[in-house]
Amino acid sequence: GESVGLHLPTLSVQEGDNSIINCAYSNSASDYFIWYKQESGKGPQFIIDIRSNMDKRQGQRVTVLLNKTVKHLSLQIAATQPGDSAVYFCAEIRGRGSQGNLIFGKGTKLSVKP
Amino acid sequence: GAGVSQSPRYKVAKRGQDVALRCDPISGHVSLFWYQQALGQGPEFLTYFQNEAQLDKSGLPSDRFFAERPEGSVSTLKIQRTQQEDSAVYLCASSLGVYQETQYFGPGTRLLVL
Repeated sequence: GESVGLHLPTLSVQEGDNSIINCAYSNSASDYFIWYKQESGKGPQFIIDIRSNMDKRQGQRVTVLLNKTVKHLSLQIAATQPGDSAVYFCAEIRGRGSQGNLIFGKGTKLSVKP
Repeated sequence: GAGVSQSPRYKVAKRGQDVALRCDPISGHVSLFWYQQALGQGPEFLTYFQNEAQLDKSGLPSDRFFAERPEGSVSTLKIQRTQQEDSAVYLCASSLGVYQETQYFGPGTRLLVL
């Protein structure tokens, strides 16, 4: 299944399926993007990042895609597991000149059905 | 320590009471950020320190909020005369350097003002 991220805040997938979480960002000057995972009662946990000079970056079971033309970011999780259930936030940092505080989106809740 | 730690994890305050929230960043991390996270929302930036210097406090919601990092390591966020709208999770994050560095978050302090 797919989510449009900020416009559809919940995503439910079957264990073993791939998940795609989407995020739109607003500032064309943003040049560093991070995906965080937040489990209930915990702080955000770094998943993967990407800089604006790239359009794709892969980690372990996760891939981030960046489309600067339409200011869109996506997180793909392969073979989703129950432990992936959490809220996922995209965050951006606006420009080299900023000191680097993160601007977070509202998040997408991912629920994985066993 | 191995990660960012925060204390207390939970704080219940009566309206009008002063509170102090502590953050122990990862050892050697230059940058320290405070964020506020309302229920169901993404974290929002409050303030930023580079070593002991508070370089940005533009996100502090009122002059009742005060933060310090006197020796460039541990930081304290103080809220005076707490109000019900201050109820939120307060997150601390640190990063090794400055500018577009990965930020590592603590577990947060959940503040409830009655």
